[in-house]
Amino acid sequence: KNEVEQSPQNLTAQEGEFITINCSYSVGISALHWLQQHPGGGIVSLFMLSSGKKKHGRLIATINIQEKHSSLHITASHPRDSAVYICAVSDSGGGADGLTFGKGTHLIIQP
Amino acid sequence: DAGVTQSPTHLIKTRGQQVTLRCSPISGHKSVSWYQQVLGQGPQFIFQYYEKEERGRGNFPDRFSARQFPNYSSELNVNALLLGDSALYLCASSWRGAHSGNTIYFGEGSWLTVV
Repeated sequence: KNEVEQSPQNLTAQEGEFITINCSYSVGISALHWLQQHPGGGIVSLFMLSSGKKKHGRLIATINIQEKHSSLHITASHPRDSAVYICAVSDSGGGADGLTFGKGTHLIIQP
Repeated sequence: DAGVTQSPTHLIKTRGQQVTLRCSPISGHKSVSWYQQVLGQGPQFIFQYYEKEERGRGNFPDRFSARQFPNYSSELNVNALLLGDSALYLCASSWRGAHSGNTIYFGEGSWLTVV
């Protein structure tokens, strides 16, 4: 069973700062997902990665398969980026085709 | 196109009762997964269905059951409710499954409170 660890658990920053959230996992995966959850509960998929790097607007996600580690970066952070960011992995091979989630990083961007 | 829709959005049940939660996936998506998220924690995998067959089950007791209908919508049933079942129940859909490397789409969730 994969173990997914995220850091930091909580992060408060000022508007405009560069933000980094880290995720590590214990077992090989087929894909890693970065998700955003707002207080109402709904979850939005930000990225799905199996290798390398992806960029969407001010968001950048990277993954190092050998080190079993991924990072989510937010450039020029804005108060509307305040949310919980969750890392989730799909295990490779057979077994339950569900995701294993980290506990999330609660991000607050202050104006 | 409509996203993943779940119903009801909020409900309160008494210990020992039974509850049914419903999910309609995005049109064309054949995989539906259910997750339980207790306050302050990350979601936990409950079930995955693909093409109307159960393809995976998380570490949940037999009180939890689910099914997928020919139109790919799904129901999650929980019997003999316990206080600890109070949580946000999330449904996610994708064309195949998260294992297949597809982007997944979540519904807004059903908030269940057991009193």
